[in-house]
Formats: sequence, C-alpha cells, structure tokens
Amino acid sequence: AQSVTQPDIHITVSEGASLELRCNYSYGATPYLFWYVQSPGQGLQLLLKYFSGDTLVQGIKGFEAEFKRSQSSFNLRKPSVHWSDAAEYFCAVVGNTGKLIFGQGTTLQVKP
Amino acid sequence: ETGVTQTPRHLVMGMTNKKSLKCEQHLGHNAMYWYKQSAKKPLELMFVYNFKEQTENNSVPSRFSPECPNSSHLFLHLHTLQPEDSALYLCASNLGQGGTEAFFGQGTRLTVV
Repeated sequence: AQSVTQPDIHITVSEGASLELRCNYSYGATPYLFWYVQSPGQGLQLLLKYFSGDTLVQGIKGFEAEFKRSQSSFNLRKPSVHWSDAAEYFCAVVGNTGKLIFGQGTTLQVKP
Repeated sequence: ETGVTQTPRHLVMGMTNKKSLKCEQHLGHNAMYWYKQSAKKPLELMFVYNFKEQTENNSVPSRFSPECPNSSHLFLHLHTLQPEDSALYLCASNLGQGGTEAFFGQGTRLTVV
C-alpha cells in the first residue's frame, strides 16, 4: 500500500538558517511526489513536484527537493529560511489511480 | 487563487441542522476529493469522485453525504453532525488517473455547536 511518512512533527529553526524537512514514501513503482504548504486556516498550496527526470526539483519561494529512489525519500530544503515560511508542510504521493496520499505534516516554526 | 473555490469559508451549525458545503472548479479536472483536517490529525481523505462517479468512500459516517452533479461541482451535505465533526473541510481536484498534482480550495471551517 502507498504511504508517506514525515518523521518530524514539529521543527524550529532560526531565521536565516537552512532547513530540511524529511519525507519517506512507500510505493512500488516510480512515484509522483509533491510538497504542499499550508498557512493557518488556509488550503494547501503546491510548492513543487517530481514526476520524472532530474531528481533535484526547484519550487516556489526558494524551496527545492531531492528525490532519492534508493532511500525512498523526497526531502524538502531551503538554504535560508524567512519568518514568512512558518507554516505546515505536507509531503504527498500519487499512485496511478490519481489519489493523493499525504504524510502527517511538519509544522515549521521560525525564530527571529 | 488555485482555481478551486469553496463556499462558505466559515460555517457554524447546530447538531440538528442541515447544511451543504460547495466546491467548484473550472480547471477541466475529472477527479474531485473531499478531505477532513482536524486539529493535530493528518489529512483524512473522505470521498473521491472520478467523472462524477464516486470511487472511494473511506468509511465516512452517513451524516456526511457527497454529491457530484458534474465534473466541475462537488457538494458535501451535512445533517445531524456531532461536535467532533468540527474541522476544516478541504476540496481538491486533479486529472485523476495519470497522477497529476491536486489543486486545493481554501477550505470551509466548520464548527458544530
């Protein structure tokens, strides 16, 4: 069965520091992978996606993610975090039925 | 603006009321989804519709009744809800099979009193 695990429920980083949010997936074939961000009380906004090709994908707001098949991972990174990045981040996988499976989410807090 | 519109944004209802949530997309998508997001819980997929046909019901109580009259519109009819049903209800759409990203509405914040 397809599943997504985000090991970190809550992460706090200082503004200007680098960030890495972890995501591990379980899926037999090549997955379609996504990172979404959710600000309080809002819907989910797509940050970036991986379908195929280059395993390092660039997204909006300066985020990037790297697909590592050998580790079944799709970690999200940002070199320098801004206070406005504080939000909840969701990793998701889509199988060939088109259904999105989400991880539990990681809440990012940014210290001044 | 994602192209998926949900109304209302906020809803307060009593346990004996009947209300409906609406979701609309004009992105040409074939699949539409209802998710429930409660505090401190993961996103829960409730219903999936593909080409207006319900393809998934994740053991959702019958007090939640979805309706998909066409590929652009999705409703969630609510009746005799419980306080624990208070949550953010999110609608999403995508092209369905083929695995493209989903676009989400802003959600309806539901409070059952």
